[in-house]
Amino acid sequence: AQTVTQSQPEMSVQEAETVTLSCTYDTSESDYYLFWYKQPPSRQMILVIRQEAYKQQNATENRFSVNFQKAAKSFSLKISDSQLGDAAMYFCAYLFVQGAQKLVFGQGTRLTINP
Amino acid sequence: ETGVTQTPRHLVMGMTNKKSLKCEQHLGHNAMYWYKQSAKKPLELMFVYSLEERVENNSVPSRFSPECPNSSHLFLHLHTLQPEDSALYLCASSQGFTGEGYEQYFGPGTRLTVT
Repeated sequence: AQTVTQSQPEMSVQEAETVTLSCTYDTSESDYYLFWYKQPPSRQMILVIRQEAYKQQNATENRFSVNFQKAAKSFSLKISDSQLGDAAMYFCAYLFVQGAQKLVFGQGTRLTINP
Repeated sequence: ETGVTQTPRHLVMGMTNKKSLKCEQHLGHNAMYWYKQSAKKPLELMFVYSLEERVENNSVPSRFSPECPNSSHLFLHLHTLQPEDSALYLCASSQGFTGEGYEQYFGPGTRLTVT
């Protein structure tokens, strides 16, 4: 069974600084997707960024980028120029593309932005 | 606003009540999902529907009964719930199971309290 592990329950960063959130996953599959979701206090789960496993190039979305290491099964999220609005729970998620689309989530990392 | 709405946003019900949660997506997607988010636990997939057909039932107790009358609407009927069923229930949708439509977009959730 696929599992996703986020080893940092909480992280904090100074506003305008850079922070990296860690995620590792376990799978025997070669074709899958990885996602980072953000859940602010409003509880709305928002898709931040996605990575296709077959792509070697790391995905970027404005201030958000990932470091995808397929052999190491690692998928970290880097947030540059942190803003107060980035404060939220961040969830790493794995999706196996065959069959029913079951997203497997990690436990989450609570990110605090210090002004 | 992700294009997925859920009602009600908050629900308090007794263990003998019957209630329903509603989810509606305005994205033209073909697949819909119910997730349960409990404190201190990763998100758990409950049900998956593709083109109104249930394709996944993730060992959910029968006191939870899903219904998908069309590709835009998804219901979760609740009856004789237990206090441990108190959680945030999230609905999500995706374009489908093929092509590039793997991203799941989430609604704001229904906070359920069972007394």
